[in-house]
Formats: sequence, structure tokens, C-alpha cells
Amino acid sequence: QVQLQESGPGLVKPSETLSLTCTVSGGSISGSYWSWIRQPPGKGLEWIGYIYSSGSTNYNPSFKSRVTMSVDTSRNQFSLRLNSITAADTAVYYCARHYSSASAPLPFDYWGQGTLVTVSS
Amino acid sequence: QSVLTQPPSVSGAPGQRVTISCTGSGTNIGAGFHVHWYQRLPGTAPKFLIYGDINRPSGVPDRFSGSKSGTSASLAITGLQAEDEADYYCQSYDTSLSAWVFGGGTKLTVL
Repeated sequence: QVQLQESGPGLVKPSETLSLTCTVSGGSISGSYWSWIRQPPGKGLEWIGYIYSSGSTNYNPSFKSRVTMSVDTSRNQFSLRLNSITAADTAVYYCARHYSSASAPLPFDYWGQGTLVTVSS
Repeated sequence: QSVLTQPPSVSGAPGQRVTISCTGSGTNIGAGFHVHWYQRLPGTAPKFLIYGDINRPSGVPDRFSGSKSGTSASLAITGLQAEDEADYYCQSYDTSLSAWVFGGGTKLTVL
């Protein structure tokens, strides 16, 4: 059973960079697409972007200028960096795997529990 | 405002059938992109429930079913059980936004 676990600071100051890591266990990170998704308090889910295990990326245009994703196959981890953050970036951040047996655009079959990141000085 | 529209809440008694709607537009569901559904129990990771409009991943009971027509989709749950009380989210892809998009979520209460 694949499991995903987000980790990173729960509190980040405005204008700084939010950095999160997702650790994948129970399966290899290779050969799959991996996404970051967030949910601000009281709002809906929002897709941030995905990274393939080779390192290729596709970002939501709403975040494109601020987001960077990376992957470390040796550690079975992938990461999110979001810069110039504001209070509007306060949200629960999820990492998720794309289900490769579906037709594109691929849905998400495994999710992490989510981690709350609060932006405040 | 979420791109896909869901009712904020639905409810039903044990054993009953409930449906949750998901309404999109011509740039997402109406453009032919599939709809997928997720269940999020309190304090847990979202669970993959329905994919490709109508398909159930392995292990999902056949009490859960999906359908799609035009710019809308629906999730039906029959034989409602207390353990079904959760938030449900629909998801698709929007070609004008070039992004995976979600509904705002529907809270199911089992009376």
C-alpha cells in the first residue's frame, strides 16, 4: 500500500518561501506523476502542479511564477517551494500520486494526510 | 469559488440512497474530460472513490456509483451507512485554465 507523508514548517512568515517535502513509502517514486494540492480554510481544493519522476514539471498557471517542484528518487521524495507567500497561501497542503491506469488527464489515487501551513508574522 | 459546483451538504437516513451533483461547464466536464470522486473522512487523507466518470477502484464497494451527462456528473450512494459520513469532492480537468479542478465539496450527514 502506497503511503504519502507531507513534512515541513507549519508557520512561515509573509514574503518568505514555503518549503514542503512529500515522502513516499510502500512503492517507488519512479515512473509516476506526483502532485501538490492545497485547501485554504473554508475554501475548495486547488491543484498547484505536478512533477514526473524524471523531473519534468507542469504547474498551474495561477502559481507558475512562484512555484518550483523537485524530485529526489534516491530518497523517494518530492518537494514543493512556493515563494513570495502571503496570508492567502495559508492552507492545508496535500501531496498526491496520479493514477496511471486511468486515461489522461490522470486522477489522484493516493493522497497524504495533509499539513497545515499558516502564513503569519 | 470552485470551478465545479457541488451542493454544500446532503443528508440521508441509514439504508437510503443519496446523490451528490457536480456541475461544470463547456471547458471541463462539457468538453469531455472525465469526472473523478474522492471521499474524505474526518482527519484522514482523501480516498479515491470513482474515476473515469463511472469506474470504481479496487476495494470500493458497489454501493458507490458515478454517472455523467453533458456538463454535470453525479455520485450516488445506496444503502447509506454511518461510516459514509464524510466530505465528497468531484474533480475534472479544465482546458481554459490548463489545470486539474475540483468541486467545493459536499458534506454528507447520515441521520
